[in-house]
Formats: sequence, C-alpha cells, structure tokens
Amino acid sequence: DTAVSQTPKYLVTQMGNDKSIKCEQNLGHDTMYWYKQDSKKFLKIMFSYNNKELIINETVPNRFSPKSPDKAHLNLHINSLELGDSAVYFCASSQDVSPLHFGNGTRLTVT
Amino acid sequence: GDSVTQMEGPVTLSEEAFLTINCTYTATGYPSLFWYVQYPGEGLQLLLKATKADDKGSNKGFEATYRKETTSFHLEKGSVQVSDSAVYFCALTFNAGKSTFGDGTTLTVKP
Repeated sequence: DTAVSQTPKYLVTQMGNDKSIKCEQNLGHDTMYWYKQDSKKFLKIMFSYNNKELIINETVPNRFSPKSPDKAHLNLHINSLELGDSAVYFCASSQDVSPLHFGNGTRLTVT
Repeated sequence: GDSVTQMEGPVTLSEEAFLTINCTYTATGYPSLFWYVQYPGEGLQLLLKATKADDKGSNKGFEATYRKETTSFHLEKGSVQVSDSAVYFCALTFNAGKSTFGDGTTLTVKP
C-alpha cells in the first residue's frame, strides 16, 4: 500500500553511463515532482508534471530528461552521468495545495 | 520570489529539553505552511501544516502557529525524545506545482 514508490533504492554506476529511476504513485494525485537532495540535505526541485504535462523545469542540465507516461508515473533518465550527479533523488506527488508525499529516495553514486 | 529561511543547524539537545526551530518566510500573498520531517534513510513526511493566519498545526507533540504579522511558522516541542532526531524542513506552497523549502535543520537528541 505504498503511496509513492521509486526504484531502485540504490544506484552505483560509473561516469559516462546512462541510468533511469522510476516512480509510481497510487494516490490519484495530479502533480508529480523530482527533487534532488545533496550531501548537506539541501532540497532542490528539478521537475514538476501536472497530468503528464511539464510545468516546472528548473535549471537542470539537459542530460536529465523526465518522462511521464501517465499521471501515476514519472521517470527520470540521466545521460552521461557525472560525479556531481551523486545525490539522493526524491520523487513526490501532491494534489492542489495538499502536502507533498515523498518516496523513500534513490541514492545515486557516480564513481 | 518566495523564500523560506530556517534556523541553521545542527541542533543538539538532551532528552526532555524544549525545542524551537525558527522559520520565517517571504511571499506575496498567503501561502499554506508546512513542516516536514526526514528520518535517516527515509523520504520527507508531513509533520504538520497550517493553511491560514493564526492556524496552529500540531502532531506528535510538535506545534507551529502561522503568524502573518511576523511571517513566521516556528516549530516547537515541549519535551524532545531521542526518536525525534531527524532533519526538519519548513516549506510554503501557493498552488500545485511548486513548494519552496528551507535548507533543513538537523536535530540530534541525546539520552
């Protein structure tokens, strides 16, 4: 009965590789997000989708490409991974001004 | 633009001590205000919220009051426990699509 689930939980890969993180929510929310949390715990929004449409695209390298096949799913694909991409990536969802529901995060380590 | 400023951490307290984590915001209009908590290895989860001026949010012994005149939403708890050790985030939301988060405050409670 997990509300927001993302996979994988851990991802270790080498520089230059391409990887994807998947996210699914079963709350019926219209809006989904990707956030990046760095080692100092700072949280930064990357993308936001509302009903499969991109509504927020912060200053993120175009190596990052979100894809929303339907409103319950929001995946994140990262090309040509760099050391600086190492972080914890959180998926979240919300409805209107309701609180965000977060997944448990994907810890990406680029070596 | 909107911004949230919260007390810098880390904060270290002894069990049963009183906790205050300050949070002030800058926004045009009257947003909804939230406190989220992040336990080690987990995603953020809603701790409490307030949607209009003078509302008091409360949960698990934590409280915060929406103060329009001082644009503040300070988090308080009368007697902290070791299990309260976590990172606390203050956030504001106007509408679906984007929430603005503070930088997080790490709390460690020692027995």
